[in-house]
This record gives sequence, C-alpha cells and structure tokens, in this order.
Amino acid sequence: EAGVAQSPRYKIIEKRQSVAFWCNPISGHATLYWYQQILGQGPKLLIQFQNNGVVDDSQLPKDRFSAERLKGVDSTLKIQPAKLEDSAVYLCASSSFGTSGRIGNGELFFGEGSRLTVL
Amino acid sequence: DAKTTQPTSMDCAEGRAANLPCNHSTISGNEYVYWYRQIHSQGPQYIIHGLKNNETNEMASLIITEDRKSSTLILPHATLRDTAVYYCIVRPHTGRRALTFGSGTRLQVQP
Repeated sequence: EAGVAQSPRYKIIEKRQSVAFWCNPISGHATLYWYQQILGQGPKLLIQFQNNGVVDDSQLPKDRFSAERLKGVDSTLKIQPAKLEDSAVYLCASSSFGTSGRIGNGELFFGEGSRLTVL
Repeated sequence: DAKTTQPTSMDCAEGRAANLPCNHSTISGNEYVYWYRQIHSQGPQYIIHGLKNNETNEMASLIITEDRKSSTLILPHATLRDTAVYYCIVRPHTGRRALTFGSGTRLQVQP
C-alpha cells in the first residue's frame, strides 16, 4: 500500500509570509497527525484528527497555525504569518485507530516531512 | 503518558549487537513500550512494541524487565543503515493518544 504523501518537501519563505503543507494519509486511515520537528529535537504533536474532527490541538499555536481535514482524507497545515522560530520539519502521520473494521497496533506511519526555512 | 529516559548517544560496531536502554519507571499498567527510529531526513519508523513479555520481529528484539520499569531494544547485527535516532515511547495501546517523543538515542554504527 502507498505510504503517507507530503508536499512540498522543501519551502523557503520570508518571515511574515504564509505557507501551506499538504498531507495525504494511507488509504482508509481514520487518524491523521501533524508534528513539528525542530532541528535536534524529537517531533512535537501539533494536531490530531480522527476523520474530519479534531481530537487534540492543545499544542497548536492557533494565532498563526491552522489545519483542516474537511473530507476526512487529506489535510492541510497553514502558517500565517510565519516567524523565524517556525523553521522546522513538518511531519504528517496516519494510523488505523478509529478506522471501522481495522484492528491496528497503534502504529503510526509517517511521511518524509516538509522542511520549512523562514528567513 | 509516562516519561522515558534514554542515553543521548551510543556507538556500535558494524555486525555487532546494538543494545539500546530505556528507563520508564513511572509506566502504568495499561501502557505499552513502543520503539521508533528516525533515519536522517526521513520520518520516524515503527520498530516494535510490547507490554510485559519479550518481543521479537524481523527488525529487532524488545526485552522488558519484570517490573516493567525499563526495557532494552536489541538490534542483533547492526549495519550502517541502522544509524539513526531511536525513540522509546510509552503509551496506552488503544491508539487514541498520539505518540509523545523525547530526544531519543542517536546510534552511530561504525564500520
């Protein structure tokens, strides 16, 4: 089966500009996650969706970050306006948790990430 | 989720076993131990998980102490491609809760 797809792989923007990242999870996976990974650190959860509903967005900086998963399939993460400290890799992951008829082990499947540089 | 403690970095010779320790002394009864690894410029990849019994798959073995306060991930014959950051994570098996990553152990396999 195809893995988690993300685009773009790389993006360079000036501070105060906006950027959007796209994620297409593994087919049929109900749960989708966005993580932020700053250089030298482990990934940090930004938001978790189950189908098109938000499960956890407690660590999402809502003044500048937004995310949606309107049809419960692919998702978009937006940053507007970007700050220097937003430079990071944005990882999308999906799991079968919450998928009808699927029994998973809680495993998350990650995409390769989108690397953002804010100048 | 219970907090985990891992060494910052480790070295291992190619072909030898790599033993990566993890302390999780505050683990609760319904929490599993998961291991993921992240190779440079890639997303994290699932390796193995377990509750209290030792587990083995094609990638690695997981040894969990009887009191469940610590565990060891074993890569039996490390190769250069095993050079990565290894994350030990504890969380309930239900999958509802997302993974919480620490800083992990950076394993360098030496030729």
